[in-house]
Amino acid sequence: DAGVTQSPTHLIKTRGQHVTLRCSPISGHKSVSWYQQVLGQGPQFIFQYYEKEERGRGNFPDRFSARQFPNYSSELNVNALLLGDSALYLCASNHSPTTGTEAFFGQGTRLTVV
Amino acid sequence: GQNIDQPTEMTATEGAIVQINCTYQTSGFNGLFWYQQHAGEAPTFLSYNVLDGLEEKGRFSSFLSRSKGYSYLLLKELQMKDSASYLCAVPGASGNTPLVFGKGTRLSVIA
Repeated sequence: DAGVTQSPTHLIKTRGQHVTLRCSPISGHKSVSWYQQVLGQGPQFIFQYYEKEERGRGNFPDRFSARQFPNYSSELNVNALLLGDSALYLCASNHSPTTGTEAFFGQGTRLTVV
Repeated sequence: GQNIDQPTEMTATEGAIVQINCTYQTSGFNGLFWYQQHAGEAPTFLSYNVLDGLEEKGRFSSFLSRSKGYSYLLLKELQMKDSASYLCAVPGASGNTPLVFGKGTRLSVIA
């Protein structure tokens, strides 16, 4: 079975540009969460989606947005990129958003903003 | 809100035992997770504790004390491949935030 897949794996963008990151959850998983991990820190929660609805949002500016599609895949969009947005962006899928369920992470997208 | 504290770095010798501590403050408690993350890779699930006590899983064990807001991950018979970051995490207070992570402990296993 395929795990969580993310694309692209690496990306370089210029300040002010827009970026779209994609995630496909494990088959049968309906909950997708996005995290930002800067070097030397733990992942920080950005969004959670379940059954195509936003279930939670972290402390990130409105430049960050996301959505989930009928097939449960998800996109994370970031507008007006800043140098500080350079990070590893992780997608995690769960069977449901219930606390205590194990999250499975994708390999991440390494975003570099120059 | 949720707050997690763990040491930044640790070094241990191949074949030895190492204990990685994690202290947390939470409004409500819904369990504690440990994840392993090799450099440049995704975090992978190690353990989930919701009740007090020690849970053993091969060379790795995880302990929880809810009254003390304390957990540790115990790694036995260390191998070079255990060099990685170990992340302590708790579910968010609102229940809508999946996981709140600590900054991670970077473990280096030396010969």
